[in-house]
Amino acid sequence: DAKTTQPTSMDCAEGRAANLPCNHSTISGNEYVYWYRQIHSQGPQYIIHGLKNNETNEMASLIITEDRKSSTLILPHATLRDTAVYYCIDTSWNDYKLSFGAGTTVTVRA
Amino acid sequence: DADVTQTPRNRITKTGKRIMLECSQTKGHDRMYWYRQDPGLGLRLIYYSFDVKDINKGEISDGYSVSRQAQAKFSLSLESAIPNQTALYFCATKEGTNTGELFFGEGSRLTVL
Repeated sequence: DAKTTQPTSMDCAEGRAANLPCNHSTISGNEYVYWYRQIHSQGPQYIIHGLKNNETNEMASLIITEDRKSSTLILPHATLRDTAVYYCIDTSWNDYKLSFGAGTTVTVRA
Repeated sequence: DADVTQTPRNRITKTGKRIMLECSQTKGHDRMYWYRQDPGLGLRLIYYSFDVKDINKGEISDGYSVSRQAQAKFSLSLESAIPNQTALYFCATKEGTNTGELFFGEGSRLTVL
């Protein structure tokens, strides 16, 4: 079973920031937070990951709370091509149970 | 060429038939995974392998078997397919490090009639 919880769906206006929350209630000290997205039925694609500090790359920003029990993925300027299912997971190098929950279906509207 | 290649991409078969889904990767990763995706249920882990001599069951291994023929190849078999195994199947690879992300194939859509 997935260890994280996410809202089922959310809408976002094109050009606005999309903030996607995730709860990591059972995360342990050596586990990283990862975010992936899946467009239509393609293979999921890695977006970003972090341990404790906030992270940013060309795709998104990741905010992790101080207690690490929640994270937020930020798509700074959502486009129609960002419409996808977004998954958050927490895992360490030896956590072989890399299961994904149902994720958040994000719909970006023009 | 894709880093993780799955064949076939689509397959329709009949109940009771044996089916093999193949996965090959050029990433040089030791770890390989097979997932199943059903509508609205996310991705569930079927089997995973940390190296050629290491095979482990995931959440939903019943009715499936795997073979790790080489570092680059990991096959999933359905010995006797049944209709509720109709699903989208993904293969993935990963480095064995703290910060390795999963690289997925494009998926194999299987329909069992």
